[in-house]
Amino acid sequence: DAGITQSPRHKVTETGTPVTLRCHQTENHRYMYWYRQDPGHGLRLIHYSYGVKDTDKGEVSDGYSVSRSKTEDFLLTLESATSSQTSVYFCAISESGYGGENIQYFGAGTRLSVL
Amino acid sequence: KNEVEQSPQNLTAQEGEFITINCSYSVGISALHWLQQHPGGGIVSLFMLSSGKKKHGRLIATINIQEKHSSLHITASHPRDSAVYICAVIGGGATNKLIFGTGTLLAVQP
Repeated sequence: DAGITQSPRHKVTETGTPVTLRCHQTENHRYMYWYRQDPGHGLRLIHYSYGVKDTDKGEVSDGYSVSRSKTEDFLLTLESATSSQTSVYFCAISESGYGGENIQYFGAGTRLSVL
Repeated sequence: KNEVEQSPQNLTAQEGEFITINCSYSVGISALHWLQQHPGGGIVSLFMLSSGKKKHGRLIATINIQEKHSSLHITASHPRDSAVYICAVIGGGATNKLIFGTGTLLAVQP
């Protein structure tokens, strides 16, 4: 998994509770991403980061916030979890933010169930 | 309509068969990415290409920029090739944002 650790790997929580997912990398890559994967949809970008304290929204950012206080850690927070946020969440990293030959490396995923 | 379309959505093949998975996209891109997602959920990169063809072992990926189409071929398929294959394009511009297809579920039977 290219030095990417997601935690927890599985979580069950109740509607309305806050949840934080962590992505930790040892590659010193500048860019980090959070995606969600749902049946019938491709992976969809939630938020991404292009440096410490530099983040931006993706296509499905509502209900999610992120923080990056260190290069190696990118946190995804669900302030008040809803059942629609039941999904598999993937973190990814890349060296550069420019198109071309850059490759994103993915973590193993976190399976989140909101009851 | 999705910006990245894959076909077929599901594919069952017999061991040894030649397999083709197709990807069509409707946006301008700087590169296209083929990924493999194993039954356990992990996602790994197979190819990144912006023109022509790339080959790695039994896998071959081609892209036709003019036709906005890419294919992933697997020669001499094996049950261990069973996985979801995902096409993703890197949109043009200054970011590395990927737009993903919904994947092709391949099952190779012995």
